[in-house]
Amino acid sequence: EPEVTQTPSHQVTQMGQEVILRCVPISNHLYFYWYRQILGQKVEFLVSFYNNEISEKSEIFDDQFSVERPDGSNFTLKIRSTKLEDSAMYFCASSPLRGRMNTEAFFGQGTRLTVV
Amino acid sequence: QKEVEQNSGPLSVPEGAIASLNCTYSDRGSQSFFWYRQYSGKSPELIMFIYSNGDKEDGRFTAQLNKASQYVSLLIRDSQPSDSATYLCAVKNAGSYQLTFGKGTKLSVIP
Repeated sequence: EPEVTQTPSHQVTQMGQEVILRCVPISNHLYFYWYRQILGQKVEFLVSFYNNEISEKSEIFDDQFSVERPDGSNFTLKIRSTKLEDSAMYFCASSPLRGRMNTEAFFGQGTRLTVV
Repeated sequence: QKEVEQNSGPLSVPEGAIASLNCTYSDRGSQSFFWYRQYSGKSPELIMFIYSNGDKEDGRFTAQLNKASQYVSLLIRDSQPSDSATYLCAVKNAGSYQLTFGKGTKLSVIP
């Protein structure tokens, strides 16, 4: 069964360093997302990406964050200068297009980011 | 501010019983409703989604939606210990790409 894959599964970085989280969405999906979940808290939307551009972003997704689809398969999230509060599980997700609606999102296994 | 509310639980049910999980949402513009299961330390796994008022059944799972009451529920029949997890309700508005999640209800199925 097709799945969203994320690398690495765990990333430890020092405060102020840049990190890049990588994702390979399901191959025939057209919508891509990043969500995060701080330990013990709810899953929060960061950004959605469609047709090679950001479709929607939340207040969390400030200038320190960026996304890119560098080739036909990868989708990346970059955090330029990490803060302690960026420590969280980051989930990539993708959705197929059905009619005019983007629909259910399928999540990858996540990257646990620890900022020290 | 769009809010999705769930009882955090834990909800304990005996094996074989029906588990009933509830969710309310604040935004009347919400159009699509999703239930995800999340095991501890793992990612959300889609169980089912519902768009229209009424019931939608998929195997042991039934989603129920009442837009007038801004209420969506998930029933799990013949609950199994493997169903023990946190169940996340998520809501999406028409024309929006983002899911707004509740904090989840922790379900424990007792053998």
